[in-house]
Amino acid sequence: DTEVTQTPKHLVMGMTNKKSLKCEQHMGHRAMYWYKQKAKKPPELMFVYSYEKLSINESVPSRFSPECPNSSLLNLHLHALQPEDSALYLCASSQAQGISSYEQYFGPGTRLTVT
Amino acid sequence: AQSVAQPEDQVNVAEGNPLTVKCTYSVSGNPYLFWYVQYPNRGLQFLLKYITGDNLVKGSYGFEAEFNKSQTSFHLKKPSALVSDSALYFCAVRDSPSGTYKYIFGTGTRLKVLA
Repeated sequence: DTEVTQTPKHLVMGMTNKKSLKCEQHMGHRAMYWYKQKAKKPPELMFVYSYEKLSINESVPSRFSPECPNSSLLNLHLHALQPEDSALYLCASSQAQGISSYEQYFGPGTRLTVT
Repeated sequence: AQSVAQPEDQVNVAEGNPLTVKCTYSVSGNPYLFWYVQYPNRGLQFLLKYITGDNLVKGSYGFEAEFNKSQTSFHLKKPSALVSDSALYFCAVRDSPSGTYKYIFGTGTRLKVLA
């Protein structure tokens, strides 16, 4: 099974709302990632978790809060977002050790609209 | 710092003709190079990777890529294009294999295969 699932597929939220994005994989991958992608642009790395510990935060605003409750799950908590945060949010996973040449497997993304 | 460049925003090719999508890279040390494809409103799908060994790498859906160290290129190729190959293609490089899990993506090339 090489599937990464993300829920919800679409999310519309106001600037005062709190919501969460969820990501799940059952490939035994110990590195998990959050990316933000604007239309026709490459994915921008936001966070990386390695063995359930946050290893990279690309200076993301605190209104985005990641969480990795276990090796299969990754959450992104959203609070007080701005309209410019509207984008496709992608989750990915990969192997985390040994030969460091592992490809990433991406979920289908959550299309977020902030009104 | 590692980087990849995709010099063409769009490539048009007739169905049945060979296609090439270009990528050049800049890395310190050995390059770990990847190609991904993205269909509209979907996540990225892994196509192939170069780690070491043969310069011609074969991947999914009939795609292959040629690694050229002297030209620092990693062009994606397919002998006979299909309309269904129309999508957005990203070249990526793994940043610092012994360090973080950071992948650097190119700006993307839109491939349009004309019937």
